[in-house]
Amino acid sequence: GAVVSQHPSWVICKSGTSVKIECRSLDFQATTMFWYRQFPKQSLMLMATSNEGSKATYEQGVEKDKFLINHASLTLSTLTVTSAHPEDSSFYICSANLAGEETQYFGPGTRLLVL
Amino acid sequence: AQSVTQLDSHVSVSEGTPVLLRCNYSSSYSPSLFWYVQHPNKGLQLLLKYTSAATLVKGINGFEAEFKKSETSFHLTKPSAHMSDAAEYFCVVTWYGGSQGNLIFGKGTKLSVKP
Repeated sequence: GAVVSQHPSWVICKSGTSVKIECRSLDFQATTMFWYRQFPKQSLMLMATSNEGSKATYEQGVEKDKFLINHASLTLSTLTVTSAHPEDSSFYICSANLAGEETQYFGPGTRLLVL
Repeated sequence: AQSVTQLDSHVSVSEGTPVLLRCNYSSSYSPSLFWYVQHPNKGLQLLLKYTSAATLVKGINGFEAEFKKSETSFHLTKPSAHMSDAAEYFCVVTWYGGSQGNLIFGKGTKLSVKP
């Protein structure tokens, strides 16, 4: 149980385009999902906390207009990187936790390469 | 303030020998502690967690960790390394009652296993 999926796993796009990444909880309902970013050989950095039916809470330094998060249902959160630039190239990972639990279950990640 | 320190950025062992990955934490509250493993280009997989129950925690793939409050440590061990254990390992701390999403990640320890 507690499986989180992400789609796509890999995406290559041109500079200036927008990219949408989906995060799904497959066998449980997730009222809260989290989006992380990981640069090569570094640890994970929390970008935002996504709450179903409400606006996401962004960490300091993360541009909310750049990284649009939508959590429309209890099993799906999306992250849209708008007008992507090469510096947005990174590994994006989402996670979710079961209600009342502290353990976060992570998706497999999406590698974004912006040319 | 909460923090976590992984004392070694890289650990190299021979196959069949013991593994020790060190982690120290700082928390003003009762912490919950996790070890996650990340294989190349993959998401994070939960190895084990400590949440104020037994101090010796057994996880998957033969790993275990011992919570030592007096030493503020949560070191990860395995009696005999396998080639498939080569990966990046993250020690993570959160605290009971903390805001969801307040996972504090260590910087990671890369484990190499030599044949």
